[in-house]
Parts: sequence; structure tokens; C-alpha cells
Amino acid sequence: EVHLVESGGVVVQPGGSLRLSCAASGFTFDDYTMHWVRQAPGKGLEWVSLITWDGGSTFYADSVKGRFTISRDNSRNSLYLRMNSVRTDDSALYYCTKERLRYFDSWGQGTRVTVSS
Amino acid sequence: EIVMTQSPATLSVSPGERATLSCRASQSVSSNLAWYQQKPGQAPRLLIYGASTRATGIPARFSGSGSGTEFTLTISSLQSEDFAVYYCQQYNNWPPASYTFGQGTKLEIK
Repeated sequence: EVHLVESGGVVVQPGGSLRLSCAASGFTFDDYTMHWVRQAPGKGLEWVSLITWDGGSTFYADSVKGRFTISRDNSRNSLYLRMNSVRTDDSALYYCTKERLRYFDSWGQGTRVTVSS
Repeated sequence: EIVMTQSPATLSVSPGERATLSCRASQSVSSNLAWYQQKPGQAPRLLIYGASTRATGIPARFSGSGSGTEFTLTISSLQSEDFAVYYCQQYNNWPPASYTFGQGTKLEIK
């Protein structure tokens, strides 16, 4: 069974930095492209970023480009999201998701990021 | 960017009745569309991919249809556990990466 467990969500001040982590198990991690998707309180889903199986390609939503960096460590079955220069509108529940044929077939339970002074 | 528009925003249906949810894309996404269900306090769950293929373990009362720009999720006989928010998502453009969601339809008990 696929398990994705996110961590690292905190309360951070505007302009600050943090790193989210996602521990994966139950599947061959380095076979899959992985994503981060976020959901602001009471709002819908927003795709944030993806990284291909080998880390060779990364893509970002325009809203986070230049501020967030996605990475992975296949030896640790882990996915990361480095968030710099955070803004209040980055406040959200951040989900780690596994891609299958470009849709998301498994989701973690999310980690909450609150950007507030 | 492809914009996904779901309607209605809220749908009130009685248990046992049929529910029909719509999703429209601002340009053709072929059959590259997925539907997700999200219950309060839970992560989204994949229901349908490829516009009409049920994901593993999804009951047969859920069905998807459509292609191009118009898509429908139908729940044939609503059970109490089906009342939730439903999102559509397109995954057509590559590159660049394009994964846009609709704003969601809340399915509530009438």
C-alpha cells in the first residue's frame, strides 16, 4: 500500500524560509514523477511543482517560480520542497502526490504552512 | 493556461438519487481529465482518470464521460458517503507542465 507522509509545515513570517519533506513507502519511489499540490484554507486545489523520477526535470507553477525548489533523494525515498521568500498567500495545506500517467493516484495527508507575522 | 470551470458550485441531491457534475475546459484537453473526491479533513482521492476510467476500488456507481472541453461525473445512486467536494483536473499540455484543477463542486444532502 502506498504511503506518503508529509512533514515540516510550520508558522513562518513573511519573507522567511522552510523545507517540507515527504516520506514515501509502498512503491518503487524512483520509478515515479512526484508533485506538490496545495490547498489554501477553504479553497480549491492548486498544483505547485513536479520533479521527474531521476530529478532531471523540475517544473513550477508561476505563483512559486523562483521562490520554491523541489528536490528528491531516491536513496531515502523522500521528496522535498524548499520554500523561500514566503508570502501570506503561500499559506496552505501542502500535499505530496504520486503521479501516474500525469494524474495523481496517491496523496499524503498534507502538512500545514501558515505565513503570518 | 487552460482554465477548468465546474458547475454547479453546490449541488443538493437526496440519497438514492442521481447526481450529475459538470466540468468545462477553456480549450481541448482530449481525454486527459481526472476527477477527485475530497471529504472534510481528508486528502483528495482519485475517482476517474482518462475521463472515463474508474480508479482502483471506486464503486461502479461513479462514472465519467466526455472529451475535448466538456466532461461529466455521474453518481448513479447517491450513498451517504458520497457527499463531498469533487474536483476535475486536466493534464493535457506537456511541456510545459500544466495541471489545472476546477474550483470544485460541493455535493450536499438535500
